[in-house]
Amino acid sequence: ILNVEQSPQSLHVQEGDSTNFTCSFPSSNFYALHWYRWETAKSPEALFVMTLNGDEKKKGRISATLNTKEGYSYLYIKGSQPEDSATYLCAFRTGNQFYFGTGTSLTVIP
Amino acid sequence: DAGVTQSPTHLIKTRGQHVTLRCSPISGHKSVSWYQQVLGQGPQFIFQYYEKEERGRGNFPDRFSARQFPNYSSELNVNALLLGDSALYLCASSLEGQSRYGYTFGSGTRLTVV
Repeated sequence: ILNVEQSPQSLHVQEGDSTNFTCSFPSSNFYALHWYRWETAKSPEALFVMTLNGDEKKKGRISATLNTKEGYSYLYIKGSQPEDSATYLCAFRTGNQFYFGTGTSLTVIP
Repeated sequence: DAGVTQSPTHLIKTRGQHVTLRCSPISGHKSVSWYQQVLGQGPQFIFQYYEKEERGRGNFPDRFSARQFPNYSSELNVNALLLGDSALYLCASSLEGQSRYGYTFGSGTRLTVV
């Protein structure tokens, strides 16, 4: 069983603040790294799929970077809004196995 | 176009019983994956099926089995239920086996074993 760790476990920020959190994964046998946003009472929603070392992806105010050599990915949210409140999950894919972290729970305070 | 649909949404079973959970992928998607999420933990990978063949299996006992049908829908079966099987079971579909676009998840089936 591989360890995929996310930090912090939870985060409270004020509306308008920018924030970031980390996903750490094994640096060997890397295939892909996924980020998902999971709002309460909804289904997880895919944000990014990252495959190449040095990848940077952006969707609106959310962006992510990937370092496969050292085994980490950062997710950034610029100018947080209350609707960004959710749990952000990363998932590490190696071969045909998929390993999720436990998520970072983000609360944006209006 | 309907998203990933799972049934039932909630289920209560007794220890030792058997359960079948169902998943219909997005139309055109050929891959279905199953995950178990226990409270406080991230989703744990159980199975992936692509074109009706098993493509991946997580670290779950043989009590867990699954299959994919010709219409790409899938069933997850769990035999001899234990209290620890109580969890949210998520199904996810993708167009291909190794999605470059991420997976689309259903809303899950909440299984409670008493």
